[in-house]
Amino acid sequence: GENVEQHPSTLSVQEGDSAVIKCTYSDSASNYFPWYKQELGKGPQLIIDIRSNVGEKKDQRIAVTLNKTAKHFSLHITETQPEDSAVYFCAASLEGSARQLTFGSGTQLTVLP
Amino acid sequence: NAGVTQTPKFRVLKTGQSMTLLCAQDMNHEYMYWYRQDPGMGLRLIHYSVGEGTTAKGEVPDGYNVSRLKKQNFLLGLESAAPSQTSVYFCASSPTSGTFSSYNEQFFGPGTRLTVL
Repeated sequence: GENVEQHPSTLSVQEGDSAVIKCTYSDSASNYFPWYKQELGKGPQLIIDIRSNVGEKKDQRIAVTLNKTAKHFSLHITETQPEDSAVYFCAASLEGSARQLTFGSGTQLTVLP
Repeated sequence: NAGVTQTPKFRVLKTGQSMTLLCAQDMNHEYMYWYRQDPGMGLRLIHYSVGEGTTAKGEVPDGYNVSRLKKQNFLLGLESAAPSQTSVYFCASSPTSGTFSSYNEQFFGPGTRLTVL
């Protein structure tokens, strides 16, 4: 089955700096890669996703890049703000597989004011 | 529109006891999922359902059973709880139509924190 590894497990940045979280996946058939944000005491919420036929996708301060050959994808957050502090999870799945997601282990991002 | 709700929010069980976690969604979604979240391990899929009356095993199904008798509800049962089942349980649902991102998005409930002594 699919295996997703995520790094780093914790990340602290100064407000206004950029943050990068990286993930690798094992199954070359996976073709959908979402990122979820989980605030304390809440369930995860989708913030951005990318399909395997796209190399990069951007939504305001958040961007995701995908390298299919190397089987890795990354989340980039620019101009970080204190409200970006949360746990971020990457995931991978195969379209048509009932959207079964395999999650990474999570990154605790702390934005210092 | 409440989205995905989970009952109860917290529960403490003794080893060997049984319980049922209830998940309800009011978005008319076809797909529903149960995950467990443990420190340092992300979320792992326990069971899922692609429609009323259907269920399937996920990555870590042992020790759990599920039922989807109504489209809006997905129940997770523990027949004989073990300390290894101490975890936070999340339910999620997903639509089957809409834009690519919208029909792939999973909407999560607030979670149930279960402790088995």
